[in-house]
Amino acid sequence: DAMVIQNPRYQVTQFGKPVTLSCSQTLNHNVMYWYQQKSSQAPKLLFHYYDKDFNNEADTPDNFQSRRPNTSFCFLDIRSPGLGDAAMYLCATSELRGGGETQYFGPGTRLLVL
Amino acid sequence: AQSVTQPDIHITVSEGASLELRCNYSYGATPYLFWYVQSPGQGLQLLLKYFSGDTLVQGIKGFEAEFKRSQSSFNLRKPSVHWSDAAEYFCAVGAGDYKLSFGAGTTVTVRA
Repeated sequence: DAMVIQNPRYQVTQFGKPVTLSCSQTLNHNVMYWYQQKSSQAPKLLFHYYDKDFNNEADTPDNFQSRRPNTSFCFLDIRSPGLGDAAMYLCATSELRGGGETQYFGPGTRLLVL
Repeated sequence: AQSVTQPDIHITVSEGASLELRCNYSYGATPYLFWYVQSPGQGLQLLLKYFSGDTLVQGIKGFEAEFKRSQSSFNLRKPSVHWSDAAEYFCAVGAGDYKLSFGAGTTVTVRA
């Protein structure tokens, strides 16, 4: 089945230690998104890629970076995680066709910062 | 900019009873509307979506939603709830720029 895969499902890191979360897709979609979701809150968009074009949300901290080396993979890098960065990180994909595209989500990676 | 309001933070319903989750949106043009469900510790799963056409939309797991332009609403319904429907439900609106605006979510608890 075509899907969005996130690894690992759980990630523990230390305060200030860089961490990378990964996302891959078999849907061949041209847009990939990264969301941060804190407990009992809606997902918050951090950034997205349309093909190789990177689009950062205005309020995304500089601490968060992303890479998309090819269509299938996208990475979220947190350069110096703080305690406030502990959250669920969701990857999603969509195929841009002119509006109303459905986003398909992966299972998420829960990040714990010690 | 578009926005979504889900007025109910938490709803408790008995198994077998009907469920209705409210969603109101703000957007100047015809919106693209979605309902997603999130089980604990999981990602978001699409239940249904409305783009155009028939205002009553059928989705997976026995859910349906009705788009009412005059009320700016897109309420989600299920006639008979199962214990496995306990989850968080998010309404979202898209404006055609491949971003979604999510509501704050409604947590559904199902009691036996």
